[in-house]
Parts: sequence; structure tokens; C-alpha cells
Amino acid sequence: AQSVTQPDIHITVSEGASLELRCNYSYGATPYLFWYVQSPGQGLQLLLKYFSGDTLVQGIKGFEAEFKRSQSSFNLRKPSVHWSDAAEYFCAVGSYIPTFGRGTSLIVHP
Amino acid sequence: GAGVSQTPSNKVTEKGKYVELRCDPISGHTALYWYRQSLGQGPEFLIYFQGTGAADDSGLPNDRFFAVRPEGSVSTLKIQRTERGDSAVYLCASSHGGTELYNEQFFGPGTRLTVL
Repeated sequence: AQSVTQPDIHITVSEGASLELRCNYSYGATPYLFWYVQSPGQGLQLLLKYFSGDTLVQGIKGFEAEFKRSQSSFNLRKPSVHWSDAAEYFCAVGSYIPTFGRGTSLIVHP
Repeated sequence: GAGVSQTPSNKVTEKGKYVELRCDPISGHTALYWYRQSLGQGPEFLIYFQGTGAADDSGLPNDRFFAVRPEGSVSTLKIQRTERGDSAVYLCASSHGGTELYNEQFFGPGTRLTVL
């Protein structure tokens, strides 16, 4: 069965600092991997996805993620965080029906 | 706007009552999904429609939950004899439903259901 672990419930960073959100997955084959962002009162928005090919994936809003098969990880990164990035971030694995992690809440200090 | 809409945005009901939650997908999207998001958790899959038919309902927790999509557009999630444990945000998503293995899902803002 597919599953996702996001080990950090909350992450606090200062505005302008770099960010890395961790995601580990379990999947029987080559995984389809996703990162979504959810702001209060908003629907989930897809940041980026990985299916195959280049293991470093670029997404919207300046985010990127790196697929590491040996570590079963798909960590999300951003070099410089903006206050507007404060939100809930979800990693997901699967194809047409993704399985989501429990999410990481990002808090940005001015 | 042309996004996925869900009504109502909030629903408070009493234990044992019946509720209906509505989802309007993006026009032209043939695939529609329902998820449930409990507090502090990620979304959990409930049911997936391709057109009018439920292609996968393996996520429905029990027979109190039912969903329909009679004309292949709007969908209604129905919950009978609500329980306090049903309290959650119910999310709807739609995609263009092509033959590719993956089609990007576009999510609505959700309906927050509170069962007292």
C-alpha cells in the first residue's frame, strides 16, 4: 500500500531564509509524487509533481523538489521564503488517486 | 470564476440528521473526486466519478455515505444519520479525465461539516 510521511508538523522560518520540508513515501513501483499548498479558506493548489526523468523538479512560486529513490524522499525546498508562503503543505503519492501526508504547517516570522 | 465551487461553505447539523454537500466542478471536467480532511490530517479519498458513474468508491467509510452525479457535472455527497466523527472538511476536486494515468486535480475550497 502507498503511504506518505511528513515528519514535521510545524516548521518556523524567518522571512528570507531558506526552507526545506521533508517527505518520505512508500510505493510499490515508480512513484507519482506531488506537493500541494493549502492556504486558509482556499482549496489545495498543486505546487509541483514528479513522474519520471530529471529528479529535480521546478514548480510554481519558486518552489522545487528533489526525488531521491534511495532515500524514498521527495523534499520540498525554497531558497528564500516570503511571508505569503505561510500555509499548510501536503506531500502526496499515487496516480489518479493520491495518498496525502498529514501536512506540515509553515509559519513565517518577519 | 471558473474554479471548483462547493456549497455550503459551512454546515452545522445535529447527530442523526441527514446532510447533502454539493460540488460544482470546472466546466468540461469529466472526472470528479470527493475527499474528507479531518483536523490535522491530509485529505482522504472517498469516491471518484468518471462521467455519471462512480469509477471507484473504495474510500467511502460505510453505507451512511453516498454520492451521486446524475448528469455528469454537479455532484452531491449525502451523509445519513450523521455522527460526531463525521465532522471534517469535505473537499471536492475535478480533472479533465483524459486517458492519461494522471490528470491534474483542481480542488474546491471545501465544506466544513460540524456534527453536534
